[in-house]
Amino acid sequence: EVQLLESGGDLVQPGGSLRLSCAASGFTFSSFALSWVRQAPGKGLEWVSSIGSGGSTYYADSVKGRFTISRDNSKNTLYLQMNSLRAEDTAVYYCAKRIPVIANNVFDSWGQGKLVTVSS
Amino acid sequence: IVMTQSPATLSVSPGERATLSCRASQGVSSNLGWYQQKPGQAPRLLIYGASSRATGIPARFSGSGSGTEFTLTISSLQSEDFAVYYCQQYSNWPLTFGLGTKVEIK
Repeated sequence: EVQLLESGGDLVQPGGSLRLSCAASGFTFSSFALSWVRQAPGKGLEWVSSIGSGGSTYYADSVKGRFTISRDNSKNTLYLQMNSLRAEDTAVYYCAKRIPVIANNVFDSWGQGKLVTVSS
Repeated sequence: IVMTQSPATLSVSPGERATLSCRASQGVSSNLGWYQQKPGQAPRLLIYGASSRATGIPARFSGSGSGTEFTLTISSLQSEDFAVYYCQQYSNWPLTFGLGTKVEIK
């Protein structure tokens, strides 16, 4: 059974930094692209960033230059380093695994989500 | 690519058919997925490739369309189907979601 478990969410001041982690199990971690998707309170889903199995990275314009996605295949863990945080970054952050169907960049497994609150 | 979903809210009685629409601001071929999200839960993948059901998804959920116009149909609504539904395109980066359609009990 695929499991994704986020950790690291918290309350942080504007301009501060935070690192989210996502511990994965139940699948061959190194073979799959992984992503972060966020959801502001009461709002819809917003894609944040993705990292391919080979390490290619992609970012939403809203976080480019501030957030960094990375993965440690030896630890089966996905990370999101968030710097220069803003109030508008307040959201539940989900890690998500890409479906094992070639050329289909949708997410068939999701973590339970971690709340990040940016406020003074 | 901007994804526009309609209607924002759909009121349906149990057992009735629900038809949800998703329009892309430019063509995305069949690179379109649908998700269901219930309060306090993570999204669940229903459809990928515009019309392929994900693993374990009941046959009452079906997707259609290509290019810019897509439809998710729930043939006979069950109590557990009342939720918010999102479409997502993956033709181009950045990946984008629609704002969602809430399916509520009539």
